[in-house]
This record gives sequence, structure tokens and C-alpha cells, in this order.
Amino acid sequence: GIQVEQSPPDLILQEGANSTLRCNFSDSVNNLQWFHQNPWGQLINLFYIPSGTKQNGRLSATTVATERYSLLYISSSQTTDSGVYFCAVGNTGGFKTIFGAGTRLFVKA
Amino acid sequence: NAGVTQTPKFQVLKTGQSMTLQCAQDMNHNSMYWYRQDPGMGLRLIYYSASEGTTDKGEVPNGYNVSRLNKREFSLRLESAAPSQTSVYFCASRSTGTTIFFGPGTRLTVL
Repeated sequence: GIQVEQSPPDLILQEGANSTLRCNFSDSVNNLQWFHQNPWGQLINLFYIPSGTKQNGRLSATTVATERYSLLYISSSQTTDSGVYFCAVGNTGGFKTIFGAGTRLFVKA
Repeated sequence: NAGVTQTPKFQVLKTGQSMTLQCAQDMNHNSMYWYRQDPGMGLRLIYYSASEGTTDKGEVPNGYNVSRLNKREFSLRLESAAPSQTSVYFCASRSTGTTIFFGPGTRLTVL
């Protein structure tokens, strides 16, 4: 089945810094999403982005489907950005949606 | 819209007991999912239902059964709970080509 790898596994930032999180996947996909899991365990949709680029405030994401990767950019990080960021993908022609292991982000004040 | 709802929110079982986790969505989504998340880990797919009347195994199906009762409801059953099934269980739903939405989770402890 499809494999999903996220990097880096852990990231510590000073408040105000920028960062890039990466998601690599092993097969063609028909859906790709980025989530933020906050410290209370809630999963928050960030982007639905099977291809192209989207922006929402300080966050933006780019998926290059032909090269099988997606990037999540966080600019001017804030302490409330702390948590785990997950990439989830579904392969073309199927309904399975598989998660990567996540990037654990801690933003220091 | 309530979105995706799950019951119960918390449950403690003894080894060997059985229970059913309930999930319902009111967004008219075709596909529904059950995931588990162990402490400090990512989400792993247990079972999914692409549409009403169909169910398929995910990455970690052993020890679980599911029922897609109708388009709205998708239940997960543990027939004989084991300590290795201690986890947080998330239900989710989506329609083709759209965002997947998650419920708040059920925290299960098996003693």
C-alpha cells in the first residue's frame, strides 16, 4: 500500500521563526490533507491540497503530485502553533486515507 | 450540523470484555473511517467504509469488527478487549474529493 513519510520528526522553534514541514508519498494520490493536532488531541483541518498551492494566513501549503511530495510552510510562528502536524493521503482509485507519523512542533516564547 | 459525533468519550474495560464504539455523521458523506492513535504516535487506519453497504480492512484490523448500519452510522466493535487495544479511537467521514472530518475521539483503557 501507499507509504507516507514526514520530516522532520521533531522541530523546536523560537517564536517568530519560519519553518517548512515535508510529506513524501510513494504512489499517486487523489487526496492529500494537512492537519494540526493540538495539545488537547483535537484534529484540525489545515488544507485539502491534492495539487497546487494554497494559503491561509501565516500557513501555506504546496503539493507537487508528479514528484510525490507536499510542503507545509509556517511563517512567524506562535506558541499556539505547537502540536503535531500530520499529512494524510489517499491513493488514486481508492478510498483508504493513510496518515504519516507526524512532525512534533514546539514553539518557544 | 453536529459534524461527526462519537460515543462514549471515555471507557474503561477489563481484559476480555466487549464493547461497541458508535459514530454518526450528518454531512451526507459517503465514506467513513475508524482510526486508532496510540500515545505519541500517528493515526492508523483500522477499517473503512467507502459507501453504505461496504467495509474494508485498513492497516490494523485484527481484533475489531465494524458495521455500516446506514449512510450516517459506522460502529466499531471489540469482541474481546486486550490491553494492546488501549488507545484513542477516532471516527471520520468524507465525500469523494473533499476534506476528511474527524470526531472528537473515544479514549479507551483496557485493564
